[in-house]
Amino acid sequence: SAVISQKPSRDICQRGTSLTIQCQVDSQVTMMFWYRQQPGQSLTLIATANQGSEATYESGFVIDKFPISRPNLTFSTLTVSNMSPEDSSIYLCSVGRGPEQFFGPGTRLTVL
Amino acid sequence: AQRVTQPEKLLSVFKGAPVELKCNYSYSGSPELFWYVQYSRQRLQLLLRHISRESIKGFTADLNKGETSFHLKKPFAQEEDSAMYYCALSVTGNTPLVFGKGTRLSVIA
Repeated sequence: SAVISQKPSRDICQRGTSLTIQCQVDSQVTMMFWYRQQPGQSLTLIATANQGSEATYESGFVIDKFPISRPNLTFSTLTVSNMSPEDSSIYLCSVGRGPEQFFGPGTRLTVL
Repeated sequence: AQRVTQPEKLLSVFKGAPVELKCNYSYSGSPELFWYVQYSRQRLQLLLRHISRESIKGFTADLNKGETSFHLKKPFAQEEDSAMYYCALSVTGNTPLVFGKGTRLSVIA
């Protein structure tokens, strides 16, 4: 298994500002994923972050809006830039280990 | 593209009744299928995966490639089974998951 922590657990932000979400894993992993779960919706993949390379973004998500860092094999950050109320969601990081994926507790973001 | 469909947004059953949460997928190859569960105020966690063919908390799921389905079943629902259930698909073990929209199971005492 993998133990994943995220900071902050929740935040309320003003529109136009940015928030950086941190994801820490208890052991080294090659692939980390960032998902978004909008209210009442399922999880949608934002990007895949491999250490040593640029993140790969899914359709509808761009680096300018969601820059990602992956400085080492146990840590990643996702920044939600120039926020609007539509960015209010739960943001989750996930790691793959073998055939399974493990999820962090999520960061609940509310944009006013 | 891969797609996972969970047709029921909400499923209510009485305690002790059988429950079946439906999941259909579309993928031309041989995917790996998973069921994830999210209990109230808890993180998303893996319930079971088709390749292990195990029963977790009384739940089972059989992959039917002909019908492209991976329905989750339990013969006797318990109140503690009330949660959000997501069916998910992975092309390989190290690719991100494609999730269905989820089914909220409510077990009524």
